[in-house]
Amino acid sequence: DAGVIQSPRHEVTEMGQEVTLRCKPISGHNSLFWYRQTMMRGLELLIYFNNNVPIDDSGMPEDRFSAKMPNASFSTLKIQPSEPRDSAVYFCASSSRRALVTDTQYFGPGTRLTVL
Amino acid sequence: GIQVEQSPPDLILQEGANSTLRCNFSDSVNNLQWFHQNPWGQLINLFYIPSGTKQNGRLSATTVATERYSLLYISSSQTTDSGVYFCAVDKSDSWGKLQFGAGTQVVVTP
Repeated sequence: DAGVIQSPRHEVTEMGQEVTLRCKPISGHNSLFWYRQTMMRGLELLIYFNNNVPIDDSGMPEDRFSAKMPNASFSTLKIQPSEPRDSAVYFCASSSRRALVTDTQYFGPGTRLTVL
Repeated sequence: GIQVEQSPPDLILQEGANSTLRCNFSDSVNNLQWFHQNPWGQLINLFYIPSGTKQNGRLSATTVATERYSLLYISSSQTTDSGVYFCAVDKSDSWGKLQFGAGTQVVVTP
């Protein structure tokens, strides 16, 4: 299995630009999570999906952030407009959820975002 | 929300030494995972261990759910064990939403 795939691996952009991060979960997994990691706040959950449906987006910092999961094999996290404080590493993770129990979460390699 | 506390925050080991990392959590959990974040930033899943004991090579983990703590043991440490070790828990009604601890930074010197 290829594991969770994220693209791009690195993104450098200027303040005000739109940024789109992409994730392909492990085949067969039905839960997908977006996390952000910064030195100040550590690892924090932004949003998660179950069976392509957003379950909880309370971790999304502002309306500038949006996420979609149009099908079981693809998700996007979009920031529009981007700001320097959005600079962080963004991780996508996936897992299986059966009978109210979520199994091991597997993380992608992350996207390192720098907003100038 | 649930609180996750890891100790110690930092650990320096000589190659070959053994060590124990601790994770305390403030509420009952459905799931507990240990991760290793290597110096390149990759988060590697080590154990899925809501209760009991598991071993994987030189690493082992024990979770005592009734007392709300988990331990990660590293035996005969190697320089490749360097990195940050995270404990993360998922509350019983949280749909797999993991709450991470602040991590233990481990440096193994040759």
